[in-house]
Amino acid sequence: EIVLTQSPDFQSVTPKEKVTITCRASQRIGSALHWYQQKPDQSPKLLIKYASQSFSGVPSRFSGSGSGTDFTLTINTLEAEDAATYYCHQSSSLPITFGQGTRLEIK
Amino acid sequence: QVQLVESGGGVVQPGKSLRLSCAASGFTFRSYGMHWVRQAPGKGLEWVAVIWHDGSNKYYADSLKGRFNISRDNSKNTLYLQMNSLRAEDTALYYCARDSIPYGDYGCPDYWGQGTLVTVSS
Repeated sequence: EIVLTQSPDFQSVTPKEKVTITCRASQRIGSALHWYQQKPDQSPKLLIKYASQSFSGVPSRFSGSGSGTDFTLTINTLEAEDAATYYCHQSSSLPITFGQGTRLEIK
Repeated sequence: QVQLVESGGGVVQPGKSLRLSCAASGFTFRSYGMHWVRQAPGKGLEWVAVIWHDGSNKYYADSLKGRFNISRDNSKNTLYLQMNSLRAEDTALYYCARDSIPYGDYGCPDYWGQGTLVTVSS
């Protein structure tokens, strides 16, 4: 099973800051890494697929990069509505796995 | 627009069974693989199972050890999850989600339902 480790687990940031969340895979997964945003009491929403492809309707301040084992989600010019938990997810091999999540608090 | 509506959750005793349903609309259901993903209260996301668009292949999380069965009825645009021998640790919000790749093997879930809550308790 491929283990995904996110860092940090929690981050408190101010609006307009730039935020970087990382996801490290326990083995190489090419670009089969995806990012989700989950706000309290809501279902997850796809932000980035295949490491760097923005999903339809996602604001341009969200971007992704990386390949192999190391991946990054970047949020430029953070907005208050970005307060959420962010998960990475791999579809390189079964079983499909998720990272443990990164909770983002907006000060 | 893509809509996924889960149902069938509730309170069930340990050892009992439950079947969840997911009604799909707004897209050609028979063209897409489908997933179940669960989230225990206050915890992260855990993938449960995936089924190919035509039902020809099904895969499960190792931890389920044959207790769960994913299926679909393309004539009814509905996805199912049969859960047997339920345990307290199966308590979670169960989401159905569409796979992003039509006619493919599996990619990432792109659209998710709102979830149905399963509570296993005596």
